[in-house]
Amino acid sequence: NAGVTQTPKFQVLKTGQSMTLQCAQDMNHNSMYWYRQDPGMGLRLIYYSASEGTTDKGEVPNGYNVSRLNKREFSLRLESAAPSQTSVYFCASSERGGSPYNEQFFGPGTRLTVL
Amino acid sequence: KNQVEQSPQSLIILEGKNCTLQCNYTVSPFSNLRWYKQDTGRGPVSLTIMTFSENTKSNGRYTATLDADTKQSSLHITASQLSDSASYICVVSPLGGTASKLTFGTGTRLQVTL
Repeated sequence: NAGVTQTPKFQVLKTGQSMTLQCAQDMNHNSMYWYRQDPGMGLRLIYYSASEGTTDKGEVPNGYNVSRLNKREFSLRLESAAPSQTSVYFCASSERGGSPYNEQFFGPGTRLTVL
Repeated sequence: KNQVEQSPQSLIILEGKNCTLQCNYTVSPFSNLRWYKQDTGRGPVSLTIMTFSENTKSNGRYTATLDADTKQSSLHITASQLSDSASYICVVSPLGGTASKLTFGTGTRLQVTL
């Protein structure tokens, strides 16, 4: 079991460029999440998908879009990257997002730099 | 606004020594608190979860305590090893909240040296 995988591991963009971060899980989890982690701040939720076919905004959704492609895959798109989006992005999944007791399993992260 | 504050921000200890990390939260009403370990360049991994009614829970050399009255938790690491070098993140979930309503602390960065 690979768990949660993310691609790419590193990316450098210029301001205004677009890109998609890919995430896949092989644990048959229903819920998936995208977070960003910035120095001196806790992980912040960007978007989440409680189940296949649904997506909802988190705490910091501006400048991002998501797609729940199927039960396994959840992608995050930056349409026009800005320096403020320089961060480490983590994808996570959990068995059922409706319960706060379900552990979230995190991917290894994507380190994104926007120049 | 729900907050989770962790202290110290960073800590350096000698291998074999014990240490205690603190987590204070304002989340109320409270459902559960989870401690994660995040190795450098990796995603967080859950160490333990504590619910409202639990005071102490151990996972090997890691022991978490919870005082729901004072809204404080601690993570005690016994006989530290070099592999314990990581950031430790406290995460709190509100009562009735879903997994999308977690509040993450900023973490304590622990370095274990020879």
